[in-house]
Amino acid sequence: GDKVKQSPSALSLQEGTNSALRCNFSIAATTVQWFLQNPRGSLMNLFYLVPGTKENGRLKSAFDSKESYSTLHIRDAQLEDSGTYFCAAEAPGGSAKLIFGEGTKLTVSS
Amino acid sequence: EAAVTQSPRNKVTVTGGNVTLSCRQTNSHNYMYWYRQDTGHGLRLIHYSYGAGNLQIGDVPDGYKATRTTQEDFFLLLELASPSQTSLYFCASSDRDTQYFGPGTRLLVL
Repeated sequence: GDKVKQSPSALSLQEGTNSALRCNFSIAATTVQWFLQNPRGSLMNLFYLVPGTKENGRLKSAFDSKESYSTLHIRDAQLEDSGTYFCAAEAPGGSAKLIFGEGTKLTVSS
Repeated sequence: EAAVTQSPRNKVTVTGGNVTLSCRQTNSHNYMYWYRQDTGHGLRLIHYSYGAGNLQIGDVPDGYKATRTTQEDFFLLLELASPSQTSLYFCASSDRDTQYFGPGTRLLVL
């Protein structure tokens, strides 16, 4: 279903530009995780978030549990940032289950 | 960093066949998960476990069994494989927060 909705579904960027990806939740998410799936298929965790923000290099992410959304900002996009970005929300209840969005496919070109 | 391995990496079977996918993690995580990834659906949770001998039902469990024999090892069993189970399968582990994924197993059911 659409418990976790990501936008946009696809995005093309020029190297050196900035962009933002978004996740909206229709569940009361308690934590959020962001992942990058590279073109070879490997999944890498980017952020684990409780409500608030985190930054790592050119990536910055925020999670607002009251407004039920999370964002991932990419600054100075590089070719190696290409891939599919997934957000995943942990539903309330303490089950440690994640519900994934359908992903944003990012293509960075020179 | 968490180390999660999966075997086999690729598998082809026929309808009605019996398949076992294996996952091992070496970081003493309590939680382990099996997901499937299909185009248009992102990642969907099949089964998960809190520890050796524990099994929890995920969101798409039909046609799958799982067993957690030790803290390190989590198996996914397809006893009567069907073409609808053709997919990319991921295992993940966590200690209740960040999830770390294995490299995936591509399963083709003919």
